[in-house]
Amino acid sequence: GAVVSQHPSRVICKSGTSVKIECRSLDFQATTMFWYRQFPKQSLMLMATSNEGSKATYEQGVEKDKFLINHASLTLSTLTVTSAHPEDSSFYICSATRTGRGQETQYFGPGTRLLVL
Amino acid sequence: GESVGLHLPTLSVQEGDNSIINCAYSNSASDYFIWYKQESGKGPQFIIDIRSNMDKRQGQRVTVLLNKTVKHLSLQIAATQPGDSAVYFCTFSGGYNKLIFGAGTRLAVHP
Repeated sequence: GAVVSQHPSRVICKSGTSVKIECRSLDFQATTMFWYRQFPKQSLMLMATSNEGSKATYEQGVEKDKFLINHASLTLSTLTVTSAHPEDSSFYICSATRTGRGQETQYFGPGTRLLVL
Repeated sequence: GESVGLHLPTLSVQEGDNSIINCAYSNSASDYFIWYKQESGKGPQFIIDIRSNMDKRQGQRVTVLLNKTVKHLSLQIAATQPGDSAVYFCTFSGGYNKLIFGAGTRLAVHP
């Protein structure tokens, strides 16, 4: 089956620093990837759509200057949380869209737990 | 507006029983629905999907039913096992391949 990886799996950082999270599709190419955020005991909230070779599309209320997204290749998207603060602590999950047999399916990464002190 | 809601936030079942998780949606234009399973600390895992031109689809131990008249979706798990314990999300495509997630239902399987 399709595999999506994320790195790191968890990260602890000091307030004010920037953190980069990588999302990779390991066995397929993905022109579109998505970034979600999930707070404890809550659902996944879509943050942005990452498009290979073009700018990301952000959902309403998500600061694009704070959450920088780069989709450098067909297998890699990165999310950088700039000047992180404790309220940015969350579980960040990416997904990659795989196209096949006339349909598109999203496969999710294992998530990255961010703790900002 | 678009939304996906769930009737029951928590469902407790005995091992071996059948489980039914329900979901209501509001957008009558939705044409593709997906159920995901999320275990603690992990990303969502695809379970089964269904398109609006169908009202039932079966997988291994799982069945999804779609009632477009009342905008209701359900996931049935047969012979529930401890490994089925997780949070289950009903989702539908929100255009441009986006997925709209519902609040989720936690399934707890007791021996």
